[in-house]
Amino acid sequence: DGGITQSPKYLFRKEGQNVTLSCEQNLNHDAMYWYRQDPGQGLRLIYYSQIVNDFQKGDIAEGYSVSREKKESFPLTVTSAQKNPTAFYLCASSILAGVQETQYFGPGTRLLVL
Amino acid sequence: AQSVTQLGSHVSVSEGALVLLRCNYSSSVPPYLFWYVQYPNQGLQLLLKYTSAATLVKGINGFEAEFKKSETSFHLTKPSAHMSDAAEYFCAVTGGSEKLVFGKGTKLTVNP
Repeated sequence: DGGITQSPKYLFRKEGQNVTLSCEQNLNHDAMYWYRQDPGQGLRLIYYSQIVNDFQKGDIAEGYSVSREKKESFPLTVTSAQKNPTAFYLCASSILAGVQETQYFGPGTRLLVL
Repeated sequence: AQSVTQLGSHVSVSEGALVLLRCNYSSSVPPYLFWYVQYPNQGLQLLLKYTSAATLVKGINGFEAEFKKSETSFHLTKPSAHMSDAAEYFCAVTGGSEKLVFGKGTKLTVNP
């Protein structure tokens, strides 16, 4: 079955710690995205990648970093510089990065701060 | 820049009643519009999308939406609500850039 997997489902971060959220897709999509979801706020774009070895900042990139070394993988690191990381994180992918391309979403990772 | 306004953060209907979820957009170029549904603690699933081929768009699970340029609206409807429709619904727009801009969402409750 083709799809997007995110792991872990729940992640706990201690003060001053960096944590990495995994996102893998086997849809052969070129473009991948990371969103942050807070209650009542909709989804906000953190980073996106149109192709391997390239990525751009979204609207709320501060305190986050990404890499795109393989087409199927787009991990997100939440650094200690992100002071309010508690949120639901969603990864998505699309065939290409285009205005009419449908984005397909993974099941999400909920990050909580200890 | 594009933006989306979803009127009503919470909507409650009775089972079998009409569902109407409102979405108004702002875009300086012809928009592409999407409706997604999210069940608790899950990712988003595409319900339908408008790409200028037809103003009335039919989606999954009996939902449809009508693009009205004069009203800058793309409201989502379903003639008869089912208990399984209880979820959060997001309207989103692209246009000048490939970035998808989301509304804040509308949580639909279906009462028996």
